[in-house]
Amino acid sequence: GEDVEQSLFLSVREGDSSVINCTYTDSSSTYLYWYKQEPGAGLQLLTYIFSNMDMKQDQRLTVLLNKKDKHLSLRIADTQTGDSAIYFCAVTTDSWGKLQFGAGTQVVVTP
Amino acid sequence: EAGVAQSPRYKIIEKRQSVAFWCNPISGHATLYWYQQILGQGPKLLIQFQNNGVVDDSQLPKDRFSAERLKGVDSTLKIQPAKLEDSAVYLCASSPGPSLAGGPRDTQYFGPGTRLTVL
Repeated sequence: GEDVEQSLFLSVREGDSSVINCTYTDSSSTYLYWYKQEPGAGLQLLTYIFSNMDMKQDQRLTVLLNKKDKHLSLRIADTQTGDSAIYFCAVTTDSWGKLQFGAGTQVVVTP
Repeated sequence: EAGVAQSPRYKIIEKRQSVAFWCNPISGHATLYWYQQILGQGPKLLIQFQNNGVVDDSQLPKDRFSAERLKGVDSTLKIQPAKLEDSAVYLCASSPGPSLAGGPRDTQYFGPGTRLTVL
């Protein structure tokens, strides 16, 4: 089956850039997503990228996709304390939109 | 636009009891998903509905879990009887879907979840 791997923890200083990495195994994944989860809340969609794109930028967020290496990353510029959360990478696994999630990366922003 | 609504937000029960969760998706969304999120893990799909038909229930423990989506709108997920390992957050999501190629119509929007504790 599909595997999605993420590093578990990232600590970053306020104002610096954060980079969260994700690797996946299914080369047929069509759409790749980043979700954010704050304590006690559901998952908030941050952004997504189509598999024929290499990069997508949305305000402070930049998504990079390397299909050859099956590697996805999310860069958050000028990281703020409000960015502290768990970030999940998810990829589509079939034509019905079924998602396979990674275990999440906890990002802690320090002043 | 109102988001995905779920109730209750929290539930504590003893093992072998039954429990039910309710979900109201975003208006007009055809596809509805139930996920189980165990602490420290990513969400795992339990069941996916397309309107009121089941698309995927391959990871639903059918001996104790059941779900229905009457009239293709609201959905309920039931556990009977509950086990200790069912302690988790149960997330409901909806998407406009489907798209045969996958795409923005499949983008899933999540509710706040129901945190279940089984003692």
